[in-house]
Order: sequence, then C-alpha cells, then structure tokens
Amino acid sequence: RKEVEQDPGPFNVPEGATVAFNCTYSNSASQSFFWYRQDCRKEPKLLMSVYSSGNEDGRFTAQLNRASQYISLLIRDSKLSDSATYLCVVNPLTGGGNKLTFGTGTQLKVEL
Amino acid sequence: DADVTQTPRNRITKTGKRIMLECSQTKGHDRMYWYRQDPGLGLRLIYYSFDVKDINKGEISDGYSVSRQAQAKFSLSLESAIPNQTALYFCATSSQGGVGYTFGSGTRLTVV
Repeated sequence: RKEVEQDPGPFNVPEGATVAFNCTYSNSASQSFFWYRQDCRKEPKLLMSVYSSGNEDGRFTAQLNRASQYISLLIRDSKLSDSATYLCVVNPLTGGGNKLTFGTGTQLKVEL
Repeated sequence: DADVTQTPRNRITKTGKRIMLECSQTKGHDRMYWYRQDPGLGLRLIYYSFDVKDINKGEISDGYSVSRQAQAKFSLSLESAIPNQTALYFCATSSQGGVGYTFGSGTRLTVV
C-alpha cells in the first residue's frame, strides 16, 4: 500500500464549480499534513497546511480526518488559474525531522 | 534571485557518463533534500541532509551520491548515468520544525 494515495484524475470542471479532492495516508502516527500545488513542469509550492480543526484560505478549505486517515481539499468557485496538479503531502515522522512523503497528485482542469 | 537555485535547468547526457546536479540556497535552512519526479510515481526522496555533517539515504538512493559542501550547497551525482534515471529532479530545503519545503525550479535530466 502506498504511504499516500490520491486519485490521479483528471478532474475536468467548469469555471465556477466546486471541486473536492481526497487523499488517504497509511501511517497513523503522521503528524503534519499539507496540500501543495504544482503547475506543469514547475516546482511544487505549498498551498496550505491541514489541521484537525479544518482550515480555510479564501476559496480553499482543507480538512483532516485522523480516524479515517484521510485529508481533503475543497476548492470553491473554481478559476481557470486553479488548473494544476494538487499534491497531498504527509510528514510520517519516522526517525524524526520533517522528511515529507508526497502523493502522486490529482490533476485539475478548469474549463470555460 | 531565487531562494533555491538548481543548475543546470536542463541536461542531456549519455549512458555511462558522470553528471552532477547542483543546488544552492539563500534561505539559511539547515535541511536539504533531493527528489526525483516521474510521471505516475510522484516525488520520491533520493537523499537528504539535516546539516553539513549529516547525510541520509532516501527511498531510491541506488545509483546516486550526494555531497553537502556547505550549509547552503547540496549536490547530487549520478556516477554512471543510465536511461531510467531520466526524470525531473528537485532540490528542496526546510528549517528545523519548518512547516514545509521550498523547492528549486528543477533540473530536467535526459539520459540517452
């Protein structure tokens, strides 16, 4: 089983739609969770951290469910510029430090 | 100037050649990482270093070596390049206890 699993997509949605991505992780001891955004052939960039209480940043909402070991990202009012690959990222904390484990990513295409 | 700089940006090399990818950072971070990214496989950790005297293997270190010449510099070498090392390589940095990574722009390596 992969440490971090995501549906690769692509998710094709019209502009203005709401879209949600889920991600599951295997290590129940994991402590830190993130969503990164990666544009085609570019480096990943931190989108937001994910907290147990849930957190929101503008049109983006992230949720963590520790009992079920899944993380979600909700994007409201999708924009063309949201088209990218979204990486679910977990810090498994094996051996300490902040050595992150990346999911393979979910591709989002927002269309007119 | 970018916080994390990778050189070269693109490289084509022949099978059997030795090649070095370089990474330097101005973030002042003590932790540095090398990842490779392949379609469908996501980002996989090759080596990481938590300080100048600390070098650790990641999940796919075979065929690679690294050198941490200074806090700001972390180089990745392919001793004898082979075609399945064709990939996009990313260097990343983080601070101890930091929230996430800062990535370089990547090196696209093709081994023919």
